Amino acid sequence: EVQLLESGGGLVQPGGSLRLSCAGSGFTFSSYAMNWVRQAPSKGLEWVSTISGSGGNTYYADSVKGRFTISRDNSKNTLYLQMNSLRAEDTAVYYCANYFYAGGNRYFDYWGQGTLVTVSS
Amino acid sequence: DIQLTQSPSFLSASVGDRVTITCRASQGISSYLVWYQQKPGKAPKLLIHAASTLQSGVPSRFSGSGSGTEFTLTVSSLQPEDFATYYCQQLRSYPITFGQGTRLEIK
Repeated sequence: EVQLLESGGGLVQPGGSLRLSCAGSGFTFSSYAMNWVRQAPSKGLEWVSTISGSGGNTYYADSVKGRFTISRDNSKNTLYLQMNSLRAEDTAVYYCANYFYAGGNRYFDYWGQGTLVTVSS
Repeated sequence: DIQLTQSPSFLSASVGDRVTITCRASQGISSYLVWYQQKPGKAPKLLIHAASTLQSGVPSRFSGSGSGTEFTLTVSSLQPEDFATYYCQQLRSYPITFGQGTRLEIK
């Protein structure tokens, strides 16, 4: 059974930092690109970042570029999101999701349960 | 960036109704369009990928169609468990984008 388990969320002051983790199991972690998607309270889904299976390619939303860094440790089957210079508008539930990508077929297959990040003084 | 516009944003319907949600892309995305269902407090659930391919385990009352810039999600006969928020997503190019969501409520 595929499982994705996020951790690391919490309350942080504006300008602060936080690192989220997402532990994967039940699939060959290194074979899949991985994503972070967030959802502000009562708002829609917003894609944040994607990293390739090897970690060699990364992509970011403009809203987080230069502040957030996605990375992975395939030996630990774990995805990370380092969030710096946090702003109130970064307050959201952060989900990790794996990325099925094969030719013309692409989708976010499995999602974690989410971890809440609150940026407030 | 590719913008996705869903319509309607809110839909009120009854059990047994047939409903259709539309997702329009600001430029052509071929068939790189995915639909998700989300219930309150839960992660999104994959329904349809490649615009019209039903994900394994998803009831056949759900269907998707379209290509290029216009796509639809249809539920042929609403069941109580279908009342949720639905999002489209494009995976044609980065940045990956989602529609704003369609909230489906019981009339």
